[in-house]
Amino acid sequence: KNQVEQSPQSLIILEGKNCTLQCNYTVSPFSNLRWYKQDTGRGPVSLTIMTFSENTKSNGRYTATLDADTKQSSLHITASQLSDSASYICVVSDRGSTLGRLYFGRGTQLTVWP
Amino acid sequence: EADIYQTPRYLVIGTGKKITLECSQTMGHDKMYWYQQDPGMELHLIHYSYGVNSTEKGDLSSESTVSRIRTEHFPLTLESARPSHTSQYLCASSPLGQGAREQYFGPGTRLTVT
Repeated sequence: KNQVEQSPQSLIILEGKNCTLQCNYTVSPFSNLRWYKQDTGRGPVSLTIMTFSENTKSNGRYTATLDADTKQSSLHITASQLSDSASYICVVSDRGSTLGRLYFGRGTQLTVWP
Repeated sequence: EADIYQTPRYLVIGTGKKITLECSQTMGHDKMYWYQQDPGMELHLIHYSYGVNSTEKGDLSSESTVSRIRTEHFPLTLESARPSHTSQYLCASSPLGQGAREQYFGPGTRLTVT
């Protein structure tokens, strides 16, 4: 069964600190992996997309890594800010259909305290 | 910021009422999607469309219906709302084609059925 598991479920850190969020998936055949940021009451916004051949991609203070062999990804946030408080969702796409089916994780709820 | 809009943003309605959730995008994307998301849970695909006059049911069974008469417009209708329909509904769009195509999400409609 194609699944995406994220950990931790929730995380609280102090402003200025770094953190790393984890994503494990069983989706096959793999096409790409995305990290989204979803603020409360809003739609998800894309942070990064990585294909099979990419193992690191950065977007400002966000750096995503991908290990397609172990089917793991991480999202590292550097020098956290209060505005980073949100749910971070890992999404994996398969190559099995023209739709490019997306499998969503439940997200990690990050809270940044001042 | 993505040019995809949803109205209303919040809706509280009584059981048995007919409702239509609006979704419009100005990016000329062929693919459009409706997702349902409960608090702390993953997004579930309920409907999608490849283009005008194309509609398909997603993975999560839904009593809602959709139509795609114009490229930019993808409304979702519930003929008779029930409390079990209470949820957040997210609309998304993406361009047609192979590869890692970004999905752009609207801000969502928070529906409460009393």
